[in-house]
Amino acid sequence: GQQVMQIPQYQHVQEGEDFTTYCNSSTTLSNIQWYKQRPGGHPVFLIQLVKSGEVKKQKRLTFQFGEAKKNSSLHITATQTTDVGTYFCARLYYGGSQGNLIFGKGTKLSVKP
Amino acid sequence: DAGVIQSPRHEVTEMGQEVTLRCKPISGHDYLFWYRQTMMRGLELLIYFNNNVPIDDSGMPEDRFSAKMPNASFSTLKIQPSEPRDSAVYFCASAGEGSNQPQHFGDGTRLSIL
Repeated sequence: GQQVMQIPQYQHVQEGEDFTTYCNSSTTLSNIQWYKQRPGGHPVFLIQLVKSGEVKKQKRLTFQFGEAKKNSSLHITATQTTDVGTYFCARLYYGGSQGNLIFGKGTKLSVKP
Repeated sequence: DAGVIQSPRHEVTEMGQEVTLRCKPISGHDYLFWYRQTMMRGLELLIYFNNNVPIDDSGMPEDRFSAKMPNASFSTLKIQPSEPRDSAVYFCASAGEGSNQPQHFGDGTRLSIL
């Protein structure tokens, strides 16, 4: 079935190091969304990418959508302890009588101070 | 504005008992989603509604699970009878009109079936 694969599953970094998580799909995506879930919390929407090759930035976070719209990445520059959590990519389309909603398994980031 | 409100936050009950989880979506949102999250299976979509009508319930594990949305401001997810393998965090989320609007999640219900 349709899936979005995320790698790595876990990432441990020293504070100040960079971090990247990747999201891959076997089929073309109409859009990709990214969410962050803090330990014990709920997923919180970060951003949506729609256009081929799109790059968006939020402070130290950089999001990219591949040219073929089959992959995406989230890069964090100079991680901080506040970045700890699980980052999910998701392909979400719900309209009319059917939908396609799939979350990746997530990348769990831990940051050592 | 109030976000998605779920109750209870925690539920501990014995197997065989009926469990009812409740959700109040963000006012004005057309879509409501129920998810289950476990370490093994991650975040799974159980069912979602559009304008109170169930659209896709293919993620509902089995007949023991049922969901209703009697009006635009309230939904329930019921498990009867409950089993230990139902233990998980259950999230409700809502989204506005449109084919790919961001989802807003509630704080979740942590369910433990003994």
